[in-house]
Amino acid sequence: SQTIHQWPATLVQPVGSPLSLECTVEGTSNPNLYWYRQAAGRGLQLLFYSVGIGQISSEVPQNLSASRPQDRQFILSSKKLLLSDSGFYLCAWSDLRGNSGNTIYFGEGSWLTVV
Amino acid sequence: RKEVEQDPGPFNVPEGATVAFNCTYSNSASQSFFWYRQDCRKEPKLLMSVYSSGNEDGRFTAQLNRASQYISLLIRDSKLSDSATYLCVVNPLGSNFGNEKLTFGTGTRLTIIP
Repeated sequence: SQTIHQWPATLVQPVGSPLSLECTVEGTSNPNLYWYRQAAGRGLQLLFYSVGIGQISSEVPQNLSASRPQDRQFILSSKKLLLSDSGFYLCAWSDLRGNSGNTIYFGEGSWLTVV
Repeated sequence: RKEVEQDPGPFNVPEGATVAFNCTYSNSASQSFFWYRQDCRKEPKLLMSVYSSGNEDGRFTAQLNRASQYISLLIRDSKLSDSATYLCVVNPLGSNFGNEKLTFGTGTRLTIIP
């Protein structure tokens, strides 16, 4: 079966510091990968998605970036965090070819507090 | 009008009762619909997909009304463990496309009271 993991689960970072969140998927190949952010009282906002290695699409202009160095690895980064970057970050995957159809599955999430 | 709209609640319901909530969507071309459950400070988890003919999974029933552009979730014989936030998710694209256009509602908070 497929699994998705992301880390770290929680982090507190000062303004201006860098960020790196990592996500890996197991049990499938060439998945579509996504980074979402969920702010309090708001719906999930898609930040980036990737359909293959090195292929990144950005949905929202921001000081974040994403990379996909391997097929099942997705990384969210920032060079300098802003207070407004605080939130719950979720990695997700979907596989159009399998039984999951276009269902999307989420990692455990990473709580980021910028202070 | 928001693309996907849900009553935020909270719905406070006694254990054993039946509760239902709706979600409206603005894009009439939307193709796929889902209900996700999210526990406090956890990731959303798929509860069920919503099919045109309606579908049932145990105590949960989901229905789609294309004419009025809403989906619904009915929970019968509610349990304490049903307490969570329920997210409505709409995909305007067909099942052969990716999920980059998925739109999430802000969720309906449900609390089951002993």
